Amino acid sequence: QKEVEQNSGPLSVPEGAIASLNCTYSDRGSQSFFWYRQYSGKSPELIMFIYSNGDKEDGRFTAQLNKASQYVSLLIRDSQPSDSATYLCALYRGTGRRALTFGSGTRLQVQP
Amino acid sequence: DGGITQSPKYLFRKEGQNVTLSCEQNLNHDAMYWYRQDPGQGLRLIYYSQIVNDFQKGDIAEGYSVSREKKESFPLTVTSAQKNPTAFYLCASKPVLGTANTEAFFGQGTRLTVV
Repeated sequence: QKEVEQNSGPLSVPEGAIASLNCTYSDRGSQSFFWYRQYSGKSPELIMFIYSNGDKEDGRFTAQLNKASQYVSLLIRDSQPSDSATYLCALYRGTGRRALTFGSGTRLQVQP
Repeated sequence: DGGITQSPKYLFRKEGQNVTLSCEQNLNHDAMYWYRQDPGQGLRLIYYSQIVNDFQKGDIAEGYSVSREKKESFPLTVTSAQKNPTAFYLCASKPVLGTANTEAFFGQGTRLTVV
């Protein structure tokens, strides 16, 4: 089982809709979770991170964390064509290896 | 401007040749990382360093070597032992204090191709 699992997509949504991106993880000791956006050929850029159960909102983005279910998601409201990219979920364990572990990413396509 | 600089942006390696990828940061971060990304894949950890003169292997360290002689610099050498080095290489840095809740900042990447 991979430490961080994401559906590779593509996830296709119409412009203005809500895009829902999901990520599951296997290590219950994982402390914090990060969502990065990566455009083709570019380096990842942070959208937001979350470490407490519940929701965290930042503009059009909402991260949701459920540690009991080992599940983290990212909602993008009012999706725009410029949101079309690959979204990488990453976690930080906090013990043992002190580095981010990434999922393989979900490709999002927002149709105009 | 503070940030992470990777060079070169594109690099071509002949079979059996060692090449070194540069990564420099002026963010005063203690921790630095090297990741490899293959097409359609996520990032895989090669090596990381939490402090000068110390580094640890990641998931795919075989065929790679690093050094951390200065806080600002974390060069990665791709040796001839790495049989399939063609990939996109990303360097990142992160503060150590409060590190669980701080983001990793990435350089612009080096695209390495074997010719």
